[in-house]
Amino acid sequence: DAGITQSPRHKVTETGTPVTLRCHQTENHRYMYWYRQDPGHGLRLIHYSYGVKDTDKGEVSDGYSVSRSKTEDFLLTLESATSSQTSVYFCAIRGGYEQYFGPGTRLTVT
Amino acid sequence: DQQVKQNSPSLSVQEGRISILNCDYTNSMFDYFLWYKKYPAEGPTFLISISSIKDKNEDGRFTVFLNKSAKHLSLHIVPSQPGDSAVYFCAASAIGNQFYFGTGTSLTVIP
Repeated sequence: DAGITQSPRHKVTETGTPVTLRCHQTENHRYMYWYRQDPGHGLRLIHYSYGVKDTDKGEVSDGYSVSRSKTEDFLLTLESATSSQTSVYFCAIRGGYEQYFGPGTRLTVT
Repeated sequence: DQQVKQNSPSLSVQEGRISILNCDYTNSMFDYFLWYKKYPAEGPTFLISISSIKDKNEDGRFTVFLNKSAKHLSLHIVPSQPGDSAVYFCAASAIGNQFYFGTGTSLTVIP
């Protein structure tokens, strides 16, 4: 157990509304990541963080922003949700050379 | 452009036999490779990894083989058990902060 929680676990929202997903870790890891998982695409990196207030874009960052004001929390925000952002979102931390994942958030945009 | 590819979306194996899952990559700068296992409605869990300085790493029933010249790695599960039925993702990194994942192979172990 890598001590990673995600909230909410499930969310349904309407197109055009803002949505924030939260990732919380208890083990003080420096690196945190947000991925989305879609059929036929595997896991794709949205954004990652390498420290408080230090973030960078991944391969599918358009339409998403992130913030990290504390080591333990990494927030993913969809400023104006679209149906193409319906997905399962996973947070991960890096411990050594490996990544460890949270349980996921299933987001549906109607 | 997919830098890590798993060309078999699914695989079925009889219990007790060997399962072989394959993964190809295109970036010669990758130096660390990982396999993850994922059950439905759960996050991926780390299974086994290998550094580019090795060509084999073994952990119990799981062995990962790396062929750098072919840019290919494989995961062998022997013997396969029904509880191994899951989606398996391979991933790669290049001494960096980013990890690149394949699209996954769904393994079904038939009792």
